Amino acid sequence: AQSVTQPDIHITVSEGASLELRCNYSYGATPYLFWYVQSPGQGLQLLLKYFSGDTLVQGIKGFEAEFKRSQSSFNLRKPSVHWSDAAEYFCAVSWAQKTSYDKVIFGPGTSLSVIP
Amino acid sequence: DAGVTQSPTHLIKTRGQHVTLRCSPISGHKSVSWYQQVLGQGPQFIFQYYEKEERGRGNFPDRFSARQFPNYSSELNVNALLLGDSALYLCASTIQGQGAILGVIEAFFGQGTRLTVV
Repeated sequence: AQSVTQPDIHITVSEGASLELRCNYSYGATPYLFWYVQSPGQGLQLLLKYFSGDTLVQGIKGFEAEFKRSQSSFNLRKPSVHWSDAAEYFCAVSWAQKTSYDKVIFGPGTSLSVIP
Repeated sequence: DAGVTQSPTHLIKTRGQHVTLRCSPISGHKSVSWYQQVLGQGPQFIFQYYEKEERGRGNFPDRFSARQFPNYSSELNVNALLLGDSALYLCASTIQGQGAILGVIEAFFGQGTRLTVV
């Protein structure tokens, strides 16, 4: 079955520290991968996406993510976190499979807190 | 260009009532998807519509229905509301790949409609 897991429910980091949020997906078809951020009471903002090519992708707000097919992972990173990065982060996957090409599957989310 | 617009932003309904939520996709986008996000969880896929036809449906009861109009705007309808239907309902303006590239390759979300059922 298609699924997306984010092992960390909540992460707290100090401002200026580095950040890595984990994401794993199941299912064998070619994945299209996304990271979204959601501030309280708001919609989803796309941070970055991966379809093919270079497995390290750059996004907005200084975020990057690396696709590792062998590990079925698409981890999000940022070298130096800012207090404004505190939010909920969702990993999402769409599959290039005819029976399921119509939807994006989201992980449960990781809540990020940033302390001074 | 305007992004994805949803209305209303907030709504309070009583159990058993019916609700209609509305969404206008990004200009030029022909595909609209609906998601339900319960507090503390990730969004769950409800429907996708493309060119006025339902293309996909998630694991939701028949109380949930939707339609897409000739201008590509969409409505999500929920009948016989339950307390458990309380959630943020998100609409996404989506782009599918073409040819050999199946799959959703872009999904732009609106701010959502916060539905509270009491």
